[in-house]
Amino acid sequence: EPEVTQTPSHQVTQMGQEVILRCVPISNHLYFYWYRQILGQKVEFLVSFYNNEISEKSEIFDDQFSVERPDGSNFTLKIRSTKLEDSAMYFCASRGQAYGYTFGSGTRLTVV
Amino acid sequence: AQTVTQSQPEMSVQEAETVTLSCTYDTSESDYYLFWYKQPPSRQMILVIRQEAYKQQNATENRFSVNFQKAAKSFSLKISDSQLGDAAMYFCACPSTYSGAGSYQLTFGKGTKLSVIP
Repeated sequence: EPEVTQTPSHQVTQMGQEVILRCVPISNHLYFYWYRQILGQKVEFLVSFYNNEISEKSEIFDDQFSVERPDGSNFTLKIRSTKLEDSAMYFCASRGQAYGYTFGSGTRLTVV
Repeated sequence: AQTVTQSQPEMSVQEAETVTLSCTYDTSESDYYLFWYKQPPSRQMILVIRQEAYKQQNATENRFSVNFQKAAKSFSLKISDSQLGDAAMYFCACPSTYSGAGSYQLTFGKGTKLSVIP
């Protein structure tokens, strides 16, 4: 069964540093998403991406965040200047035309 | 804004028994899907079951089934013959109201932590 692949599985970074989280969505999917889950809390939507541009974003997705699909396969989330409160599990997901969402296994980001 | 409510923060069930997890949601869409996801300690998001809102028949996947009440906007998950491996957080999710962009991002409930007692 096709998978969404996320790398790295765990990233530790110092406060103020930039991080890039990487995702390889399912190849024939059209919509791509990033979600965040702070430890012990619910999963929250960050941003959706379609046709090489952001289609929707939440209030969490402020100017420190950006997404891009640089080469037609990878889908990246960049956090420009990390804060302690950015520590969370970040999930990438993709879906095709129907409601077939597939989640990656997540990247655990720890900001110290 | 879309809301998904899981009113049971924690539940426990005896091994081999049946447990039902509750979920209510709010949407103005007439055609949509609903999802239950399982999150074990590894924190991976695993799809348990999904329900198509236009189908009257409740979805079933082996020991997992739903009780979908469209008018009441209720979507509960029943786990039969509970096993130790069922212990996890369970999240109910509903796609957001169509905004014209078609992205249909998921809104999740706060989750129910299920413990299985041997």
